[in-house]
Amino acid sequence: KNEVEQSPQNLTAQEGEFITINCSYSVGISALHWLQQHPGGGIVSLFMLSSGKKKHGRLIATINIQEKHSSLHITASHPRDSAVYICAVSDNAGNMLTFGGGTRLMVKP
Amino acid sequence: DTAVSQTPKYLVTQMGNDKSIKCEQNLGHDTMYWYKQDSKKFLKIMFSYNNKELIINETVPNRFSPKSPDKAHLNLHINSLELGDSAVYFCASSRDSLLEAFFGQGTRLTVV
Repeated sequence: KNEVEQSPQNLTAQEGEFITINCSYSVGISALHWLQQHPGGGIVSLFMLSSGKKKHGRLIATINIQEKHSSLHITASHPRDSAVYICAVSDNAGNMLTFGGGTRLMVKP
Repeated sequence: DTAVSQTPKYLVTQMGNDKSIKCEQNLGHDTMYWYKQDSKKFLKIMFSYNNKELIINETVPNRFSPKSPDKAHLNLHINSLELGDSAVYFCASSRDSLLEAFFGQGTRLTVV
Protein backbone atom coordinates (compact mmCIF):
# COMPACT_ATOMS: atom_id res chain seq x y z
CA LYS A 1 0.00 0.00 0.00
CA ASN A 2 1.37 3.37 -1.04
CA GLU A 3 2.05 5.87 1.72
CA VAL A 4 0.09 8.49 -0.21
CA GLU A 5 -3.22 7.49 -1.75
CA GLN A 6 -5.32 9.62 -4.06
CA SER A 7 -8.89 9.22 -5.18
CA PRO A 8 -10.33 9.05 -7.65
CA GLN A 9 -7.71 7.90 -10.14
CA ASN A 10 -9.75 9.25 -13.04
CA LEU A 11 -12.44 11.88 -13.07
CA THR A 12 -14.58 13.25 -15.87
CA ALA A 13 -16.71 16.31 -15.25
CA GLN A 14 -18.85 18.73 -17.20
CA GLU A 15 -17.77 22.32 -17.44
CA GLY A 16 -19.01 24.29 -14.45
CA GLU A 17 -19.09 21.38 -12.02
CA PHE A 18 -17.52 21.49 -8.57
CA ILE A 19 -14.68 18.99 -8.34
CA THR A 20 -13.05 17.35 -5.34
CA ILE A 21 -9.88 15.26 -5.35
CA ASN A 22 -8.85 13.51 -2.17
CA CYS A 23 -5.47 12.58 -0.72
CA SER A 24 -4.76 10.42 2.31
CA TYR A 25 -1.34 9.74 3.75
CA SER A 26 0.01 7.40 6.38
CA VAL A 27 3.36 8.98 7.30
CA GLY A 28 4.43 11.91 9.42
CA ILE A 29 4.71 15.01 7.28
CA SER A 30 5.88 18.60 7.52
CA ALA A 31 3.79 19.71 4.55
CA LEU A 32 1.54 18.50 1.79
CA HIS A 33 1.82 19.66 -1.81
CA TRP A 34 -0.69 19.71 -4.63
CA LEU A 35 0.88 19.64 -8.09
CA GLN A 36 -0.65 19.97 -11.53
CA GLN A 37 0.78 18.18 -14.55
CA HIS A 38 -0.54 19.35 -17.89
CA PRO A 39 -0.88 17.09 -20.94
CA GLY A 40 2.34 18.63 -22.23
CA GLY A 41 4.11 17.12 -19.23
CA GLY A 42 5.14 20.20 -17.25
CA ILE A 43 4.58 20.18 -13.49
CA VAL A 44 3.40 23.22 -11.58
CA SER A 45 3.14 23.54 -7.84
CA LEU A 46 -0.37 24.66 -6.89
CA PHE A 47 -0.28 24.64 -3.12
CA MET A 48 1.92 23.77 -0.21
CA LEU A 49 0.12 23.57 3.10
CA SER A 50 0.72 22.26 6.58
CA SER A 51 -2.59 23.25 8.16
CA GLY A 52 -5.99 24.70 7.42
CA LYS A 53 -6.97 25.92 4.02
CA LYS A 54 -5.54 27.86 1.09
CA LYS A 55 -7.32 29.45 -1.86
CA HIS A 56 -6.02 30.58 -5.20
CA GLY A 57 -8.57 31.68 -7.74
CA ARG A 58 -10.97 28.79 -8.31
CA LEU A 59 -8.75 26.33 -6.47
CA ILE A 60 -9.06 25.54 -2.78
CA ALA A 61 -6.89 23.12 -0.81
CA THR A 62 -7.62 21.91 2.69
CA ILE A 63 -5.75 19.66 5.07
CA ASN A 64 -6.76 17.86 8.25
CA ILE A 65 -3.58 16.87 10.05
CA GLN A 66 -5.38 14.71 12.65
CA GLU A 67 -7.14 12.70 9.96
CA LYS A 68 -4.10 12.73 7.61
CA HIS A 69 -6.28 13.86 4.76
CA SER A 70 -6.28 16.65 2.22
CA SER A 71 -8.69 17.72 -0.48
CA LEU A 72 -8.28 19.81 -3.59
CA HIS A 73 -11.42 21.54 -4.81
CA ILE A 74 -12.01 23.22 -8.14
CA THR A 75 -15.02 25.49 -8.40
CA ALA A 76 -16.69 26.30 -11.72
CA SER A 77 -14.47 23.82 -13.56
CA HIS A 78 -13.29 24.60 -17.06
CA PRO A 79 -11.81 22.44 -19.84
CA ARG A 80 -8.45 24.10 -19.26
CA ASP A 81 -8.42 22.51 -15.80
CA SER A 82 -7.97 19.13 -17.52
CA ALA A 83 -4.69 17.76 -16.19
CA VAL A 84 -3.25 15.25 -13.76
CA TYR A 85 -3.34 16.44 -10.15
CA ILE A 86 -0.70 14.97 -7.87
CA CYS A 87 -0.57 15.00 -4.10
CA ALA A 88 2.88 14.82 -2.50
CA VAL A 89 4.11 14.97 1.07
CA SER A 90 7.30 16.28 2.60
CA ASP A 91 8.89 14.40 5.45
CA ASN A 92 9.69 16.02 8.76
CA ALA A 93 12.93 17.40 7.29
CA GLY A 94 10.84 19.14 4.64
CA ASN A 95 11.98 17.17 1.61
CA MET A 96 9.23 16.39 -0.93
CA LEU A 97 9.63 12.68 -0.95
CA THR A 98 6.45 10.70 -1.49
CA PHE A 99 3.90 11.12 -4.23
CA GLY A 100 0.38 9.89 -4.79
CA GLY A 101 -0.47 8.15 -8.03
CA GLY A 102 -2.21 11.20 -9.46
CA THR A 103 -5.79 11.95 -10.46
CA ARG A 104 -6.44 12.38 -14.16
CA LEU A 105 -9.14 15.04 -14.57
CA MET A 106 -10.97 15.71 -17.79
CA VAL A 107 -13.44 18.57 -17.95
CA LYS A 108 -15.76 18.46 -20.94
CA PRO A 109 -17.29 21.57 -22.47
CA ASP B 1 12.68 33.73 -18.16
CA THR B 2 12.65 30.03 -17.37
CA ALA B 3 13.10 29.48 -13.65
CA VAL B 4 14.21 25.84 -13.80
CA SER B 5 15.47 24.63 -17.13
CA GLN B 6 16.45 21.14 -18.18
CA THR B 7 18.27 20.06 -21.29
CA PRO B 8 17.65 18.16 -23.40
CA LYS B 9 13.87 17.89 -23.46
CA TYR B 10 14.02 14.62 -25.39
CA LEU B 11 16.82 12.07 -25.41
CA VAL B 12 16.84 8.84 -27.40
CA THR B 13 19.86 6.63 -26.98
CA GLN B 14 21.00 3.04 -27.23
CA MET B 15 21.50 0.61 -24.41
CA GLY B 16 24.94 0.76 -22.88
CA ASN B 17 25.55 4.43 -23.66
CA ASP B 18 26.41 7.10 -21.11
CA LYS B 19 24.33 10.27 -21.09
CA SER B 20 23.83 13.42 -19.04
CA ILE B 21 20.84 15.61 -18.34
CA LYS B 22 21.53 19.16 -17.26
CA CYS B 23 19.49 21.28 -14.87
CA GLU B 24 19.90 24.92 -14.03
CA GLN B 25 17.83 27.22 -11.84
CA ASN B 26 18.03 31.00 -11.77
CA LEU B 27 15.92 31.45 -8.65
CA GLY B 28 18.76 31.52 -6.14
CA HIS B 29 17.37 28.40 -4.46
CA ASP B 30 19.44 26.32 -2.08
CA THR B 31 17.85 22.92 -2.66
CA MET B 32 17.59 20.97 -5.91
CA TYR B 33 16.00 17.62 -6.66
CA TRP B 34 15.87 14.92 -9.31
CA TYR B 35 12.68 12.92 -9.73
CA LYS B 36 11.84 10.02 -12.04
CA GLN B 37 8.36 9.56 -13.51
CA ASP B 38 7.74 6.07 -14.81
CA SER B 39 5.41 4.90 -17.56
CA LYS B 40 2.53 4.79 -15.09
CA LYS B 41 3.12 8.48 -14.32
CA PHE B 42 4.32 7.68 -10.81
CA LEU B 43 6.87 10.20 -9.48
CA LYS B 44 9.71 9.11 -7.21
CA ILE B 45 12.51 11.13 -5.72
CA MET B 46 16.01 10.13 -6.74
CA PHE B 47 18.32 12.74 -5.25
CA SER B 48 18.21 15.94 -3.26
CA TYR B 49 21.05 18.45 -2.94
CA ASN B 50 21.28 21.36 -0.55
CA ASN B 51 24.01 23.93 -1.19
CA LYS B 52 25.91 21.48 -3.39
CA GLU B 53 25.77 18.71 -0.81
CA LEU B 54 23.89 15.47 -1.27
CA ILE B 55 21.21 15.09 1.39
CA ILE B 56 18.95 12.42 -0.09
CA ASN B 57 19.96 9.47 -2.18
CA GLU B 58 17.09 7.06 -2.56
CA THR B 59 17.63 3.54 -3.75
CA VAL B 60 18.99 4.39 -7.15
CA PRO B 61 21.50 2.26 -9.10
CA ASN B 62 25.12 3.42 -8.89
CA ARG B 63 24.93 4.04 -12.63
CA PHE B 64 23.13 7.27 -11.74
CA SER B 65 25.44 9.97 -10.45
CA PRO B 66 24.32 13.52 -9.70
CA LYS B 67 26.84 16.32 -10.00
CA SER B 68 26.38 19.77 -8.51
CA PRO B 69 29.18 22.11 -9.68
CA ASP B 70 27.47 25.03 -7.96
CA LYS B 71 24.24 25.89 -6.18
CA ALA B 72 22.46 26.73 -9.44
CA HIS B 73 23.19 23.46 -11.24
CA LEU B 74 22.38 19.83 -10.59
CA ASN B 75 23.23 17.54 -13.47
CA LEU B 76 22.33 13.87 -13.75
CA HIS B 77 24.80 11.51 -15.37
CA ILE B 78 23.73 7.99 -16.25
CA ASN B 79 26.20 5.25 -17.17
CA SER B 80 25.51 2.05 -19.09
CA LEU B 81 21.92 2.92 -19.87
CA GLU B 82 19.34 0.15 -19.66
CA LEU B 83 15.88 -0.22 -21.17
CA GLY B 84 14.31 0.25 -17.73
CA ASP B 85 15.84 3.70 -17.44
CA SER B 86 13.32 4.96 -19.99
CA ALA B 87 11.21 7.53 -18.16
CA VAL B 88 10.66 11.24 -17.76
CA TYR B 89 13.16 12.86 -15.41
CA PHE B 90 12.24 16.07 -13.62
CA CYS B 91 14.53 18.52 -11.94
CA ALA B 92 13.13 20.84 -9.27
CA SER B 93 14.37 23.47 -6.86
CA SER B 94 13.17 25.22 -3.72
CA ARG B 95 14.49 28.06 -1.60
CA ASP B 96 14.83 25.69 1.27
CA SER B 97 13.40 22.30 1.83
CA LEU B 98 10.34 23.69 3.60
CA LEU B 99 9.04 25.79 0.73
CA GLU B 100 7.29 24.97 -2.52
CA ALA B 101 9.31 23.50 -5.34
CA PHE B 102 9.58 24.75 -8.90
CA PHE B 103 9.89 22.10 -11.59
CA GLY B 104 11.73 21.93 -14.86
CA GLN B 105 9.82 20.88 -17.96
CA GLY B 106 11.11 17.32 -17.79
CA THR B 107 13.43 15.23 -19.96
CA ARG B 108 11.90 12.25 -21.73
CA LEU B 109 14.61 9.59 -21.93
CA THR B 110 14.04 6.66 -24.26
CA VAL B 111 16.55 3.83 -24.27
CA VAL B 112 16.39 1.56 -27.30
